[in-house]
Amino acid sequence: EAQVTQNPRYLITVTGKKLTVTCSQNMNHEYMSWYRQDPGLGLRQIYYSMNVEVTDKGDVPEGYKVSRKEKRNFPLILESPSPNQTSLYFCANRSGGLEQYFGPGTRLTVT
Amino acid sequence: AQSVTQPDIHITVSEGASLELRCNYSYGATPYLFWYVQSPGQGLQLLLKYFSGDTLVQGIKGFEAEFKRSQSSFNLRKPSVHWSDAAEYFCAVPQTGANNLFFGTGTRLTVIP
Repeated sequence: EAQVTQNPRYLITVTGKKLTVTCSQNMNHEYMSWYRQDPGLGLRQIYYSMNVEVTDKGDVPEGYKVSRKEKRNFPLILESPSPNQTSLYFCANRSGGLEQYFGPGTRLTVT
Repeated sequence: AQSVTQPDIHITVSEGASLELRCNYSYGATPYLFWYVQSPGQGLQLLLKYFSGDTLVQGIKGFEAEFKRSQSSFNLRKPSVHWSDAAEYFCAVPQTGANNLFFGTGTRLTVIP
């Protein structure tokens, strides 16, 4: 089954403790991205990657890092999480037809 | 810049009633337009998309949407809502020159028996 997977699905952490949210796809799509979803703000893109070793900032990149060492994986890294990064995070990939396919989401709480 | 607006934050309909969710877009050229649905605790699932051609687009789960250039709208419709349609619905448009989708703020649909 074609899918985008994320881990963990739920994470509670403390301010300043580095964390990584993994994202993996089995669809062989070159484009991958990360979004955060907040009430009243919809989805906002954090980072995207057009291909291996090619990443770029989205609309809200501050406080986040990403890497794309291989096509199937696109981890999101928070070096020093803060409470304003409490959110619901989605990884997505994109086909040539522009539609995006989303993972199930990771709910992050930073205390 | 390209954007979409969903004017309704929350809509409540009775099961079996018809549904229309509004989406207005701002786009410089012929837009690509998408509707996604997010069920509770789930990721976003593509319902349908418009690229060109027939302005009435059929999607999954019995949904359809109509592109109206004169009104800059791409409203989502369903003739008879089921309780399982309760979810949040997002309209989206690609951002020109960027590599992401611009999502509306969503419309939450509640279905009452």
